[in-house]
Amino acid sequence: GEDVEQSLFLSVREGDSSVINCTYTDSSSTYLYWYKQEPGAGLQLLTYIFSNMDMKQDQRLTVLLNKKDKHLSLRIADTQTGDSAIYFCAERAGTYKYIFGTGTRLKVLA
Amino acid sequence: GAGVSQSPSNKVTEKGKDVELRCDPISGHTALYWYRQSLGQGLEFLIYFQGNSAPDKSGLPSDRFSAERTGGSVSTLTIQRTQQEDSAVYLCASSLAVDTQYFGPGTRLTVL
Repeated sequence: GEDVEQSLFLSVREGDSSVINCTYTDSSSTYLYWYKQEPGAGLQLLTYIFSNMDMKQDQRLTVLLNKKDKHLSLRIADTQTGDSAIYFCAERAGTYKYIFGTGTRLKVLA
Repeated sequence: GAGVSQSPSNKVTEKGKDVELRCDPISGHTALYWYRQSLGQGLEFLIYFQGNSAPDKSGLPSDRFSAERTGGSVSTLTIQRTQQEDSAVYLCASSLAVDTQYFGPGTRLTVL
């Protein structure tokens, strides 16, 4: 069935790069997304990538897509304490159907 | 408004009571989604509205859950005879047609 998997936790030191990984199962997904959720808040769209792209860069964020392996990653350069949050990967698996991962809790150590 | 708003932000209720959760989408957004986020879980799709089309209710977990969207704008999610397992954060999102979703801050529901 359709599933999106992420590791649950990641801890990095301030200033280092963070890499959050995600695997998905639906090869027909058209768009893949990264959302950030801070405590007590809803999900904030960070970036997205169209399925015919391999990479997308947006300031400190780099998204890599390996469609063959159905693997998506989000790299955050120069990670700051304000980046501490839960990061959700999501695939658009149909016209309006979105499948979300369980989220990766990123903790940035000062 | 500038973004999706939801009310109340927190709701504590007793088992067996009914609750109503409200979502105000971004003005002009035709699509509206409800999700449930349980502790340590991803987002569970509940229901989808698009314009005047019949909603996709396939994610509603039981017949105690219902939702409506009046005038193609505000939506209300109703949970009847609440159970403890209904405790979760209920998130609403809206989008322009089938474009990217924008989320509200959620309603944290606690059923005692």
